[in-house]
Amino acid sequence: DAMVIQNPRYQVTQFGKPVTLSCSQTLNHNVMYWYQQKSSQAPKLLFHYYDKDFNNEADTPDNFQSRRPNTSFCFLDIRSPGLGDAAMYLCATSRKRLAGGRAYEQYFGPGTRLTVT
Amino acid sequence: GNSVTQMEGPVTLSEEAFLTINCTYTATGYPSLFWYVQYPGEGLQLLLKATKADDKGSNKGFEATYRKETTSFHLEKGSVQVSDSAVYFCALNQAGTALIFGKGTTLSVSS
Repeated sequence: DAMVIQNPRYQVTQFGKPVTLSCSQTLNHNVMYWYQQKSSQAPKLLFHYYDKDFNNEADTPDNFQSRRPNTSFCFLDIRSPGLGDAAMYLCATSRKRLAGGRAYEQYFGPGTRLTVT
Repeated sequence: GNSVTQMEGPVTLSEEAFLTINCTYTATGYPSLFWYVQYPGEGLQLLLKATKADDKGSNKGFEATYRKETTSFHLEKGSVQVSDSAVYFCALNQAGTALIFGKGTTLSVSS
C-alpha cells in the first residue's frame, strides 16, 4: 500500500542535542509538509516543500530546519531542542494544487513523538 | 483570515447512539473541507472530504455535507461504535498549503 512512513516513532533527545526526524513516502506526491502537534492541540504547520521549493511558515523558529534530498524523503532537523519542542511531529504529503484548482487532501504519517530531557 | 470552529468536547456517547460534531468555517472563496480522525498515539487519518458546495463526503458510516449558505461541515454518524473513540478534527484548505484545523473534538463511546 502507498503510504507515509516516519522514523523513529519515538525519539528521546537531551536538551540542546541536535536531532533529526525522517519521513518517506511511496505516494509520489510533489508536496511534503511538517507539522508540530502539542498535547491536546491541533497540528501546526512548520514548513512545506513544493517539489524542491522550500516554504517556511513565518512563525517557525530558526531552530527548525528541513531537507528534501529527493521526492521520496524529507527530514526535520532540530538544531538545539528545548523543553518546549517536545511534541508529536507529523509528516504529510499531497498532490500539487493546480492553478485555480481545489486543494487536495493531505495524507499523514503515524508521527514521531519527541521527548526532550 | 481563514478559520475553523468546531464544538468543544469531550463528547460521550453510548454505543449505537447518533453522533453530530458541529463544524463551521470562515474563508474567502471556496475552500476544500475535510474531517480527520486521530486515534491515541497515532497520526491523522483522512476520514472524508468535500471540495465544493453541496458535496457530501462519506466514509465508514460517517457523513458531512458542505453547506456554503451556513458555512458548515457537520460530521454525523447514525450509530457509533466503541472503536470510533478518537479525536476528530475539522479542517479547511484553500491555498493548497497549510490545513487550517479546528481545535479537535474528543469522542468517547462506551459499550
